[in-house]
This record gives sequence, structure tokens and C-alpha cells, in this order.
Amino acid sequence: ETGVTQTPRHLVMGMTNKKSLKCEQHLGHNAMYWYKQSAKKPLELMFVYNFKEQTENNSVPSRFSPECPNSSHLFLHLHTLQPEDSALYLCASSQEAGEYNEQFFGPGTRLTVL
Amino acid sequence: GQNIDQPTEMTATEGAIVQINCTYQTSGFNGLFWYQQHAGEAPTFLSYNVLDGLEEKGRFSSFLSRSKGYSYLLLKELQMKDSASYLCAVMDSNYQLIWGAGTKLIIKP
Repeated sequence: ETGVTQTPRHLVMGMTNKKSLKCEQHLGHNAMYWYKQSAKKPLELMFVYNFKEQTENNSVPSRFSPECPNSSHLFLHLHTLQPEDSALYLCASSQEAGEYNEQFFGPGTRLTVL
Repeated sequence: GQNIDQPTEMTATEGAIVQINCTYQTSGFNGLFWYQQHAGEAPTFLSYNVLDGLEEKGRFSSFLSRSKGYSYLLLKELQMKDSASYLCAVMDSNYQLIWGAGTKLIIKP
């Protein structure tokens, strides 16, 4: 596999469910990102990991919990979500955070919260 | 606050030229990116400008004026496959990307 992959591509969950989104990058990068993309709104940066350390948490509610076990893998654990959390969740990676580096995106997980 | 403005939607004809504008107000500037995103797909990198002027890459060109807080993406010889959303993003003083809401480009035959 090449590039940035995300699973699942689509997810429907109830407000009481617990689920996890997975991201994997095969580019040898050291920084990984979670973004939320809602219709007709700018991408919202949620979390940044640089060399497995979380360097950014943009006031994201605690019902979203990230995990970065190594530089190639990133998870977003979801619990007790709200309908307004329905969106496309994009993962990205770059060589490093904190300096100019092009970000490479995965195809996203389309999340629907009922 | 930080703000990126770009038109919500534009329509153009196959074979023609279209210019998508982006204006920005950010805390610091470390470059401006353009990304293309087809429906249901990942955003993909098109261009990066950090100095004033025009950068040309095949049918696509990107222009930057830092003093005006302005950029545009120019697409020539439009093809149907160019129908997509085009995202403008500025890297601020903390090297974080601040994104615009994207411009949906519709190409008609």
C-alpha cells in the first residue's frame, strides 16, 4: 500500500456507541493530523502528533480521543457522539510538524451519528 | 481572528480559463497552498507559494501577493476532470494550516 489509508471509509453509529477510526501512512513521515470536514466549512484541525507526541489539541471535545502508537499509525476513538459530529474525518501526514511540509491526505471516513 | 475567503462556487466551460481567488488575514505567513479535492476523495496538493509572483505548473498556475493578502489559482484549457473543489490554505506563524471553505468548480461541456 502507498500513501495514507483510512478505515473504515463509512461509519454509521448511534450516540451511545463506541467506535474507532484508523489511519496508516506508508510515507515514512513523522507527523500525523486529524481534521474534521463539514459541508461548506473550512477544514478544522483537531489533533497533531509529531514524532508520536501530541503537539496540538484544538479545543476538541473529550468525546474524541486520539491515539498515536507509532509514527505510522493514528487512531481516533469516538464515544457518546452527537449528531453535529457527523462529518468527513480526514487524516493527513507530513515529514514533520512545525515547519513547511506538504501534507498528504487520506480519503477520509464519512461518519454519520444518528 | 484568522480568515481565508474564497468563492463558494464557480462555473466554467470546457476548454476555457478560470481564475479562483483567495484572500487571507492570518497571524503570520509561512506560505500559501492550493489543494484539489474531488467529491468523496482526499485533498491533493497542487501548489505552494511563499514569495510574490506566479508559479506555473502545466495547465495550473498560482499567484501570490503578500502585501495584498491575495492569491489566485489559474486553470487553463479546462477539462471535465477539473470539476472539483479547490481549497486555499495559509500556513501561519505556528506552521499550522488555516483553511478556506473551498471553491466548488463546475465544468460544463
